[in-house]
Amino acid sequence: GAGVSQSPSNKVTEKGKDVELRCDPISGHTALYWYRQRLGQGLEFLIYFQGNSAPDKSGLPSDRFSAERTGESVSTLTIQRTQQEDSAVYLCASSPPELRTYNEQFFGPGTRLTVL
Amino acid sequence: QKEVEQDPGPLSVPEGAIVSLNCTYSNSAFQYFMWYRQYSRKGPELLMYTYSSGNKEDGRFTAQVDKSSKYISLFIRDSQPSDSATYLCAMKQVLRGKLIFGQGTELSVKP
Repeated sequence: GAGVSQSPSNKVTEKGKDVELRCDPISGHTALYWYRQRLGQGLEFLIYFQGNSAPDKSGLPSDRFSAERTGESVSTLTIQRTQQEDSAVYLCASSPPELRTYNEQFFGPGTRLTVL
Repeated sequence: QKEVEQDPGPLSVPEGAIVSLNCTYSNSAFQYFMWYRQYSRKGPELLMYTYSSGNKEDGRFTAQVDKSSKYISLFIRDSQPSDSATYLCAMKQVLRGKLIFGQGTELSVKP
């Protein structure tokens, strides 16, 4: 079946521009996560959506970052007034509604953002 | 100090070697411990999962968790060139929650 998809795969932008990154989770998955991975670093949590609950925004690094999710489907991560330090791979993950023993998060391939 | 510490390597071993990868953590509330494998320019994929303390074995892979020492390990036996990847430890406090990742260890298995 289809996995998590993200678009675009690569994005190059100029400092100060706004960017939108898209995530399509696995169908039926109620939870959706955004992470950021800087070069040579581990993943850094940004935001978490679970069903109709209020999202956990505790990882967003500044008010330039925001994310939305339409129901239990597509999510967009928006970065306003991009800075060079925003350059990273942005990864999206989704997990199923049933509470299995570990509630695995399935990751997409990421969007590689370069801010010039 | 980061919540999860992992030696970034790189680690280079000959084919057939036993590989040991480790992470330490500071938050005693972590209960769920995972190891992810990430190939270049791909998203991470779950390799092993352990709940609380103990060992878990799956084929050539063994995951160990020692909560008293706040230390987790992944062992790879009979390593293969196809095991060359970055290995990330990750952990979370609650079943449905954010993952906290280590920096990742880059492993290269030479034929």
